[in-house]
Amino acid sequence: AQSVTQLGSHVSVSEGALVLLRCNYSSSVPPYLFWYVQYPNQGLQLLLKYTSAATLVKGINGFEAEFKKSETSFHLTKPSAHMSDAAEYFCAVSDIKAAGNKLTFGGGTRVLVKP
Amino acid sequence: NAGVTQTPKFQVLKTGQSMTLQCAQDMNHNSMYWYRQDPGMGLRLIYYSASEGTTDKGEVPNGYNVSRLNKREFSLRLESAAPSQTSVYFCASSAADRVYYTFGSGTRLTVV
Repeated sequence: AQSVTQLGSHVSVSEGALVLLRCNYSSSVPPYLFWYVQYPNQGLQLLLKYTSAATLVKGINGFEAEFKKSETSFHLTKPSAHMSDAAEYFCAVSDIKAAGNKLTFGGGTRVLVKP
Repeated sequence: NAGVTQTPKFQVLKTGQSMTLQCAQDMNHNSMYWYRQDPGMGLRLIYYSASEGTTDKGEVPNGYNVSRLNKREFSLRLESAAPSQTSVYFCASSAADRVYYTFGSGTRLTVV
């Protein structure tokens, strides 16, 4: 069965500092991996996705993530945090053996950006 | 605009009342899903429909029923609402390629 673990339910960063959100997955086959962002009282917006092409994936708003098969990780980074990055971030996995192409989500990481 | 439409956006129910959350997509996606979002727990799958005419339980199906009315519509029913069902509910759909998932804007449900 597929599963996702996000380390740290809350992360606090200073404006201009590196943002690093950790995601580890479990999957019996090479997965597709996703990062979503949710701003307060809004729905989910796709940041980026990995679908077995390049292992370094660039997304919107300056975010990127690297797929590391040996570490079963898909950590999200942004070199310089902006106040507008304050939101909750979700890592998700979909593998080909999951019936109905189900997405399984991690518990989420809430990012606070300090001025 | 193409996408997933959920209704209603907000709802307050009394314990024991019933209601149906509606979801429709216009992208000709085969698969549709209902998730609930609770603080610290991410999104958990309630039910899904891999294709028209099929439905299956997800991680947290107790207290819910679903209907895949046609390819476009997938409804979620609470027969007897309980305070534990207070949550934000998201409907989603996906194409067969597992690459594109589209989410609705959510329904915020409070059961008192």
